[in-house]
Amino acid sequence: AQTVTQSQPEMSVQEAETVTLSCTYDTSESDYYLFWYKQPPSRQMILVIRQEAYKQQNATENRFSVNFQKAAKSFSLKISDSQLGDAAMYFCAYRSYLNAGNNRKLIWGLGTSLAVNP
Amino acid sequence: DTEVTQTPKHLVMGMTNKKSLKCEQHMGHRAMYWYKQKAKKPPELMFVYSYEKLSINESVPSRFSPECPNSSLLNLHLHALQPEDSALYLCASSQGATALNQPQHFGDGTRLSIL
Repeated sequence: AQTVTQSQPEMSVQEAETVTLSCTYDTSESDYYLFWYKQPPSRQMILVIRQEAYKQQNATENRFSVNFQKAAKSFSLKISDSQLGDAAMYFCAYRSYLNAGNNRKLIWGLGTSLAVNP
Repeated sequence: DTEVTQTPKHLVMGMTNKKSLKCEQHMGHRAMYWYKQKAKKPPELMFVYSYEKLSINESVPSRFSPECPNSSLLNLHLHALQPEDSALYLCASSQGATALNQPQHFGDGTRLSIL
């Protein structure tokens, strides 16, 4: 079974600085999808960025980018020029390429709580 | 603004009450999900509907009863809940069960408290 590990329960960053959140996963599959979701205190779970395992190029969305290391099974999220609005819980998630039974579910990490200090 | 709308935002109910949570999306998505989330934890999947048919039930107690009246609506009927059922209930939708890389879009959730 696949697992997702986020080893940093809490992190903090100064406003305008850069922070990297770590995520590692375990799978025997070669094709899959990885996601970072953000959940601020307002509760809504927001997709930050996604990566297809077959793509070697790291995904980027404005100030958010990932460092996808397939061999190491690592999928870290880098937030550049941190803003106060980036303060939230960040969840890493995995989805199988297969589309049957439990493979259709997202496998979630436990999350990293990010504080942004002014 | 969220494209998945959940009502109500907050709900307080007694253990003998019957209530319903509602979720609506107008993005043409054909897969809809119910999650339960405890504080500071990741969401736990409860049910998945694909093309208005229940496709996954994660062994959820029968006091939770989902319903998908049409492709835009998803309900969760609640009856005889327990205090441990107090949580944030999130609804999500995605383009379809076959669109594997399409992400799930979440609503703001309903904060449920059982007295």
